Amino acid sequence: KNEVEQSPQNLTAQEGEFITINCSYSVGISALHWLQQHPGGGIVSLFMLSSGKKKHGRLIATINIQEKHSSLHITASHPRDSAVYICAVPAGGNKLVFGAGTILRVKS
Amino acid sequence: NAGVTQTPKFRILKIGQSMTLQCAQDMNHNYMYWYRQDPGMGLKLIYYSVGAGITDKGEVPNGYNVSRSTTEDFPLRLELAAPSQTSVYFCASRSERAYANYGYTFGSGTRLTVV
Repeated sequence: KNEVEQSPQNLTAQEGEFITINCSYSVGISALHWLQQHPGGGIVSLFMLSSGKKKHGRLIATINIQEKHSSLHITASHPRDSAVYICAVPAGGNKLVFGAGTILRVKS
Repeated sequence: NAGVTQTPKFRILKIGQSMTLQCAQDMNHNYMYWYRQDPGMGLKLIYYSVGAGITDKGEVPNGYNVSRSTTEDFPLRLELAAPSQTSVYFCASRSERAYANYGYTFGSGTRLTVV
């Protein structure tokens, strides 16, 4: 069974800071997902990546398959980035296993 | 707007009552999922379906049932509500094509309290 660990659990940053959230997993995978859960509860898929790096606006996701590690970076953070960020990896078949999430708060 | 629609958004049940959480998607996705989210925990898979007429158990299926009579709809049934089922429930779907290349679409969630 794939285990997913995220760090940190909680993160508070000042507006404008560069933010890094980490995700480690125990079993080799084909792809990793990063999700964002808004304060209102809705969940949005941010990235799905299997190698290298992907960028969308101020968000950058990287993955190192050999080290079983992925990072989500936010550049020039803004209070609207405050959310829970969740990584997820395949658990066999058609299922995912999810990390517990990183609670990010960006203060103005 | 295309997406996953969940109803209701909030519900309070008494112990022993039954209810159905509705989930519908209009993207012609074959794969649909029900998750529950408890405070401080990752999403846990309750049931999933890979197409109409096909369902399977996830990690935490006890106390729940599902059906998938159409591609669009995937309702989740709670027969005898228990306090342990107090949680936020999310429905999700994805395309069957090249799993690694396509993301999931989530509903907005149902916050259920059993008292």
